[in-house]
Amino acid sequence: DQQVKQNSPSLSVQEGRISILNCDYTNSMFDYFLWYKKYPAEGPTFLISISSIKDKNEDGRFTVFLNKSAKHLSLHIVPSQPGDSAVYFCAASLMNTGTASKLTFGTGTRLQVTL
Amino acid sequence: NAGVTQTPKFQVLKTGQSMTLQCAQDMNHNSMYWYRQDPGMGLRLIYYSASEGTTDKGEVPNGYNVSRLNKREFSLRLESAAPSQTSVYFCASSPGVANYGYTFGSGTRLTVV
Repeated sequence: DQQVKQNSPSLSVQEGRISILNCDYTNSMFDYFLWYKKYPAEGPTFLISISSIKDKNEDGRFTVFLNKSAKHLSLHIVPSQPGDSAVYFCAASLMNTGTASKLTFGTGTRLQVTL
Repeated sequence: NAGVTQTPKFQVLKTGQSMTLQCAQDMNHNSMYWYRQDPGMGLRLIYYSASEGTTDKGEVPNGYNVSRLNKREFSLRLESAAPSQTSVYFCASSPGVANYGYTFGSGTRLTVV
């Protein structure tokens, strides 16, 4: 049972425009959410995160929105650049469980930013 | 500053063979993890170690064993490889509980024939 879902396997966006990547989750106990970016032949790298007490977090060109009632989060990239072309994973976790910070990942969305 | 180092980068095994994937981190992180990535499945947690001396099962532990050799090193062993274990394996580390600053290694691409 996939608790974190990214229903769009791929997305193509023109350079300069907005990229919107979506993620849905089923476990209402999740209270911390992250986005990771992955280039081919490399490991994922942390991009941005949000706690469930917030509905928005912004870092430069990247903004993550959280809608807890809909169990939905999205990553906005504005403006999109060719270097943003990568696979993006959303991830979710439970804070303060007393154990390691385990993350549950989605299936990933491949973003291609075209010139 | 190497971060998380995984060896080997590529490996081909025959069904039934065994092997150990090595992982080492130099960031003094307490927690370490092993994930596998398969097409359409995302990253799934195999085993993790919250701190030196402890290990726990993740979502897909069957067919694997782990050893947290010391604070730096966390190895993953396949005792009898199966074609279903063909995957890309990622090791990661994080500072500790409730800190999600994962640093990932570059991965090991394993093919079992």
